[in-house]
Amino acid sequence: NAGVMQNPRHLVRRRGQEARLRCSPMKGHSHVYWYRQLPEEGLKFMVYLQKENIIDESGMPKERFSAEFPKEGPSILRIQQVVRGDSAAYFCASSLQGTAGNTIYFGEGSWLTVV
Amino acid sequence: EDQVTQSPEALRLQEGESSSLNCSYTVSGLRGLFWYRQDPGKGPEFLFTLYSAGEEKEKERLKATLTKKESFLHITAPKPEDSATYLCAVQDTGGGADGLTFGKGTHLIIQP
Repeated sequence: NAGVMQNPRHLVRRRGQEARLRCSPMKGHSHVYWYRQLPEEGLKFMVYLQKENIIDESGMPKERFSAEFPKEGPSILRIQQVVRGDSAAYFCASSLQGTAGNTIYFGEGSWLTVV
Repeated sequence: EDQVTQSPEALRLQEGESSSLNCSYTVSGLRGLFWYRQDPGKGPEFLFTLYSAGEEKEKERLKATLTKKESFLHITAPKPEDSATYLCAVQDTGGGADGLTFGKGTHLIIQP
């Protein structure tokens, strides 16, 4: 009964490199969300995806960040040309149906450190 | 814009000492209010969803309640393993973001 699976759990990147974070939702879930947790701050919504579609990206920074959830395979959060301020924990979550009050389950997170 | 404020920021209790955590929220329309528990280095673990004022839910030593302006997480006779950060989040019925708006959490420490 696997939950939301994220990898890598920890990632170190130098400034200017690219970071790719992967997320496999819970079995049977087709709705995926990405959140970011900066040190000493709360979780912030970034993007909501269904298979092959971005439903809501209102929380995504306009530049360098992108997300996808292909028909086959995990969801990917991609950060290009990383900067120190991108250092954070990135959490993926999934739900069985859409966001209308349905329970959203979180993964263990991917901790990105930019040096 | 949705807002969630949790208090206190931190709380230290003795084992067996009951208390309550507060979550005050502002939304145009509440679709759901969620409570999660988060341990250090881990992802949030789902506890409860509340949908309407007056609703209550219980799980072991935890009980969540909801009014039109706030929610409480009551902890009865806590044990050291209840130590964690407790997060409150809301989801709006409005046409804004589909994501949850989280508070900053209450860091709870239960001392043996």
